[in-house]
Amino acid sequence: GAVVSQHPSWVICKSGTSVKIECRSLDFQATTMFWYRQFPKQSLMLMATSNEGSKATYEQGVEKDKFLINHASLTLSTLTVTSAHPEDSSFYICSARDPTHGSGETQYFGPGTRLLVL
Amino acid sequence: GENVEQHPSTLSVQEGDSAVIKCTYSDSASNYFPWYKQELGKGPQLIIDIRSNVGEKKDQRIAVTLNKTAKHFSLHITETQPEDSAVYFCAADSSYKLIFGSGTRLLVRP
Repeated sequence: GAVVSQHPSWVICKSGTSVKIECRSLDFQATTMFWYRQFPKQSLMLMATSNEGSKATYEQGVEKDKFLINHASLTLSTLTVTSAHPEDSSFYICSARDPTHGSGETQYFGPGTRLLVL
Repeated sequence: GENVEQHPSTLSVQEGDSAVIKCTYSDSASNYFPWYKQELGKGPQLIIDIRSNVGEKKDQRIAVTLNKTAKHFSLHITETQPEDSAVYFCAADSSYKLIFGSGTRLLVRP
């Protein structure tokens, strides 16, 4: 149980284009999903918290107009990187909180999406 | 806000030996501490977690200890195997958000 998928697993795009990444919880309903970014040999940095049916909460320093998050259902959240530039190249990972596990804090991570902007 | 420090940054052990990774946190209100294993090019995988009402938890070769007074927790891997080689992250829950340590690259030498 507690499987989270991401699509695509990798994407290459031209500078100035937009890229959408999907995150799905496959066997549980996730009222909250999270989006992280990870640069090579670094830790995970939380970008935003996504709650089903409401606006995402962005961490300090993350541009909400550049990283659009939609959490339209209990099993799907999407991250759109708008007008991507080479500095946006990174490993983007989502996680979903399983409210049925323990006290509900447990987060299960997707396999990640590697974005390369040329 | 919460701050999590993790040591060591790299750890090399001989197959069969034990490995210990330590983390400290700053927010005394944190009460949930998961550990994740991340292999190259993959997402983090939850390997064990502990809540503040428990001092120790074990799952086969993996154990985690928590000292709330000192605000530190540790991951113990016994009888290490080459497939344990990966990057390990500790984390602390802060208002339902996870704050991650900087990671430990574990290498198990055959």
